[in-house]
Amino acid sequence: EPEVTQTPSHQVTQMGQEVILRCVPISNHLYFYWYRQILGQKVEFLVSFYNNEISEKSEIFDDQFSVERPDGSNFTLKIRSTKLEDSAMYFCASRDTNSPLHFGNGTRLTVT
Amino acid sequence: GDSVTQMEGPVTLSEEAFLTINCTYTATGYPSLFWYVQYPGEGLQLLLKATKADDKGSNKGFEATYRKETTSFHLEKGSVQVSDSAVYFCALSAAGANSKLTFGKGITLSVRP
Repeated sequence: EPEVTQTPSHQVTQMGQEVILRCVPISNHLYFYWYRQILGQKVEFLVSFYNNEISEKSEIFDDQFSVERPDGSNFTLKIRSTKLEDSAMYFCASRDTNSPLHFGNGTRLTVT
Repeated sequence: GDSVTQMEGPVTLSEEAFLTINCTYTATGYPSLFWYVQYPGEGLQLLLKATKADDKGSNKGFEATYRKETTSFHLEKGSVQVSDSAVYFCALSAAGANSKLTFGKGITLSVRP
């Protein structure tokens, strides 16, 4: 069964550094998402992406965040200048028009 | 805005015990409701869903019924197994092709032999 893949599984970075989290959605899917889960808290919506543009974003998704689909397969989340509070598990998800969301295994980001 | 509330955890049960995990929601309109499960070291997987009132979603022995009158979608299983140990998330999605999921906090279930 096709799946969403995320790399790396764990990323450690220093405060103020830029980080790029990578995702390969399921190949025929059209809608792409990023969510995050701070330890012990809810899974929170960050951003949705369709037709090569952001379709919705949350309050969390400020100017420090950006997403990109640089080619036909990858979907990336960039954090320009990481803060301690960005430490979380980041989940990528994708779906087609009539399917539920398919999630990747997540990238654990640790900002020190 | 939309929200999902799950009962506080963690929950620890013995094998073959009956499971209920409560979930209530607040939403405008008629959302779709979901249970996702996260096994250790894995991503979120859809367990079951219901798209309209009185629908019952079921999978792997788990069931949940969409109750509009009580705005609830409680997850049940008659006899849990050790392999059911995981984190369970209740979620909703408002109507619309591109609508996002709103999750509850998740609850950790541990089943002991």
